Amino acid sequence: EPEVTQTPSHQVTQMGQEVILRCVPISNHLYFYWYRQILGQKVEFLVSFYNNEISEKSEIFDDQFSVERPDGSNFTLKIRSTKLEDSAMYFCASSDPVLTTDTQYFGPGTRLTVL
Amino acid sequence: AQKITQTQPGMFVQEKEAVTLDCTYDTSDQSYGLFWYKQPSSGEMIFLIYQGSYDEQNATEGRYSLNFQKARKSANLVISASQLGDSAMYFCAMRLSGSARQLTFGSGTQLTVLP
Repeated sequence: EPEVTQTPSHQVTQMGQEVILRCVPISNHLYFYWYRQILGQKVEFLVSFYNNEISEKSEIFDDQFSVERPDGSNFTLKIRSTKLEDSAMYFCASSDPVLTTDTQYFGPGTRLTVL
Repeated sequence: AQKITQTQPGMFVQEKEAVTLDCTYDTSDQSYGLFWYKQPSSGEMIFLIYQGSYDEQNATEGRYSLNFQKARKSANLVISASQLGDSAMYFCAMRLSGSARQLTFGSGTQLTVLP
């Protein structure tokens, strides 16, 4: 069964450093998403991406964040200058809008720790 | 703006019994989708079940069913014949139809299945 994959599973970085989180969405899906979950809190939407551009973004997704689809399979989230409060689990998801349910399938997450 | 409320931070159930996890939502839109996800201690987000706002029948997927009461704006998850592996955090989420595809999540319910 196709699934969303994410690398790395864990990332530890120093405050102020840049990090790139990588995702491979399900191959026939057209919409891609990033969410984050701070430890013990609810899952929060960051950004959605369709047809090589941002479709929607939340207030959290400020200028330090960017997304890119560098090739036909990868989808990346870059955080330019990490802050302590960026420590969270970051989930990538993808969906096929042709389907009635348009269900978003999530990857296993990348746990980001900013020191 | 839409909102999801899960009022049960934690629930306990005896193995082989059924359990209901509550979810209420608030939206002024008529067209929306409701989702339940399971998050085991390993951290991944697993899609369980979907209910569309215009679906006349309650959704079912194996041991999972959704008790959808549109007038009350509730979408409770029912797990029948609980298993030890059902112990996890459960999130209710909503997506509006149309161009806004982001999922809005509730705060989750931690379910513990007792042997």
